[in-house]
Amino acid sequence: DGGITQSPKYLFRKEGQNVTLSCEQNLNHDAMYWYRQDPGQGLRLIYYSQIVNDFQKGDIAEGYSVSREKKESFPLTVTSAQKNPTAFYLCASRTSGAPIRNIQYFGAGTRLSVL
Amino acid sequence: EDKVVQSPLSLVVHEGDTVTLNCSYEVTNFRSLLWYKQEKKAPTFLFMLTSSGIEKKSGRLSSILDKKELSSILNITATQTGDSAIYLCAVEAYSGAGSYQLTFGKGTKLSVIP
Repeated sequence: DGGITQSPKYLFRKEGQNVTLSCEQNLNHDAMYWYRQDPGQGLRLIYYSQIVNDFQKGDIAEGYSVSREKKESFPLTVTSAQKNPTAFYLCASRTSGAPIRNIQYFGAGTRLSVL
Repeated sequence: EDKVVQSPLSLVVHEGDTVTLNCSYEVTNFRSLLWYKQEKKAPTFLFMLTSSGIEKKSGRLSSILDKKELSSILNITATQTGDSAIYLCAVEAYSGAGSYQLTFGKGTKLSVIP
């Protein structure tokens, strides 16, 4: 089954704790993205990565960190520095490069809440 | 700063009605405009538009881009309760070094009542 798998579906974070959200894809896509969605808001870009071992900050990177050690995997860590982490987190991937038909495909999301 | 604005933000219609959702944008290095449907979880792709005036159609859904007016509309005819969802408009732009980013609007929440 080809696609993007996010885990867990639901996650609870205690005060001062770091938590890591998993994103794995078997679409052989080069580029991967993390977004945050709050109620009544669109998706906002946290981090993205075009290739292995390289990643760039998006619009709201503060309080988050990522790694890209393998093409298939792009985990997101929500650190204790992120004071308002409660949100729905979506991971996406896309083939890199110019072809105009390349679009971003999304995983099913992780809902993070603070205890 | 790139900006995408959708209207209305929410809409309630009866089954069988026709709806038009709007999206306007201000983006540097525009490449394409995309529409996604989000029910409970993952946004699913509907259309990608790159050229003005060409209508994309899939069943009861259709969309058109106006690059002069920097806007797009998504039409849904003969709405059904299964069309109830958040419809997201996103604009893809080239951000340098071979990378492309999407900027999303806030979405239009469509509720179709029987």
